[in-house]
Amino acid sequence: EVQLVESGGGLVKPGGSLRLSCTVSGFTLSSYPMSWVRQAPGKGLEWVSSITPSAAYTYYADSVKGRFTISRDNAKNSLYLQMNSLTVEDTAVYYCARRSHFDFWGQGTLVTVSS
Amino acid sequence: ETVLTQSPGSLSLSPGERATLSCRASQTISSNYLGWYQQTPGQAPRLLIFDASKRATGIPARFSGSGSGTDFTLTIDGLEPEDFAVYYCHQYGNSPRTFGQGTKVEIK
Repeated sequence: EVQLVESGGGLVKPGGSLRLSCTVSGFTLSSYPMSWVRQAPGKGLEWVSSITPSAAYTYYADSVKGRFTISRDNAKNSLYLQMNSLTVEDTAVYYCARRSHFDFWGQGTLVTVSS
Repeated sequence: ETVLTQSPGSLSLSPGERATLSCRASQTISSNYLGWYQQTPGQAPRLLIFDASKRATGIPARFSGSGSGTDFTLTIDGLEPEDFAVYYCHQYGNSPRTFGQGTKVEIK
């Protein structure tokens, strides 16, 4: 059974940092591109970042470029999102998702940026 | 950036009726790489349709996707109680990826 489990969310002050993790099981992580998608409270979905299977290429939404870094450790079955210089606009549930068309999603982890 | 505009914003229908949801792109989506997702409150989105018309694994046949270029449609034939949810389209053919703003299907 394919499973994706996010962790690392929490409350952080503006300007702070947080590192999210997505641990997967039921498939070989190294075979798939992966992404992060977020959803602000009561709002729609926003693509954040993607990474190719070998991590050769990474992609970012303009809203997070230069502040967020996506990475992966295929041997640990894990995907990461390092988030720096957080602002209140980054408050959202963050989901990890598999493949270009997001065929499987995690349950999400809530990041709250507030003073 | 490719803007996806979903219409209508909300839809009130009764169980058993057909729902027709539209997703219009501001420019042609490469390879018709468009997906549809269903989200119920407190849950993660679930993939229904990918590549505009391919049903995802385990998705009932009452869900179908059609369209190409800039105009895409999700049809739900015979709404079941569990189908009342928010539906999003997402294009992954052009950079950057984008989502539509969602269509809420409500019980009438």
